[in-house]
Amino acid sequence: GAGVSQSPSNKVTEKGKDVELRCDPISGHTALYWYRQSLGQGLEFLIYFQGNSAPDKSGLPSDRFSAERTGGSVSTLTIQRTQQEDSAVYLCASSSGEGSPLHFGNGTRLTVT
Amino acid sequence: GENVEQHPSTLSVQEGDSAVIKCTYSDSASNYFPWYKQELGKRPQLIIDIRSNVGEKKDQRIAVTLNKTAKHFSLHITETQPEDSAVYFCAVTGFQKLVFGTGTRLLVSP
Repeated sequence: GAGVSQSPSNKVTEKGKDVELRCDPISGHTALYWYRQSLGQGLEFLIYFQGNSAPDKSGLPSDRFSAERTGGSVSTLTIQRTQQEDSAVYLCASSSGEGSPLHFGNGTRLTVT
Repeated sequence: GENVEQHPSTLSVQEGDSAVIKCTYSDSASNYFPWYKQELGKRPQLIIDIRSNVGEKKDQRIAVTLNKTAKHFSLHITETQPEDSAVYFCAVTGFQKLVFGTGTRLLVSP
């Protein structure tokens, strides 16, 4: 595709519900990252994929967060039993490998009420 | 893991002035140093990057300098314009992943 695509663009959910966020990277990009950005804050690293494997999951805030990537392409980030502090913009980015530019999607704005 | 520090956190300049943002890193094996610009409500976008075998790179009003010995690199914006107002993030390749600095909010006043 032309760029990194994320869906949905906006998600409002009730506290305690599960949500799934989707990222479709640029075709052929082997590396995929998830970041979280709260309002006015920096880029909080969540998880990184190289192909289908996740060598670094160190940024996942709790065991309510999980992510997978299948076929070396699409990735989903799942948040179980959402809490209000999970409200943020979730950004996905992809690159063709180490030392290559990262291309960001437009993000999913998650609001937990 | 890699640690990236970015300064200042906010920077206000008058239109036409220069702006400099500095980042320091901890892993001497890091070899890729990009800078991203994020306008309000938008995604971060790459504006310039540099690799460890180069000391300086320029693109019109933007330049990046790298000092590998001291483990720091800087973004220089000359002749600033109001449209340069945004948050700027540095990043460093560390342990196979890109680690971002905490960001600098640049405000250019007309």
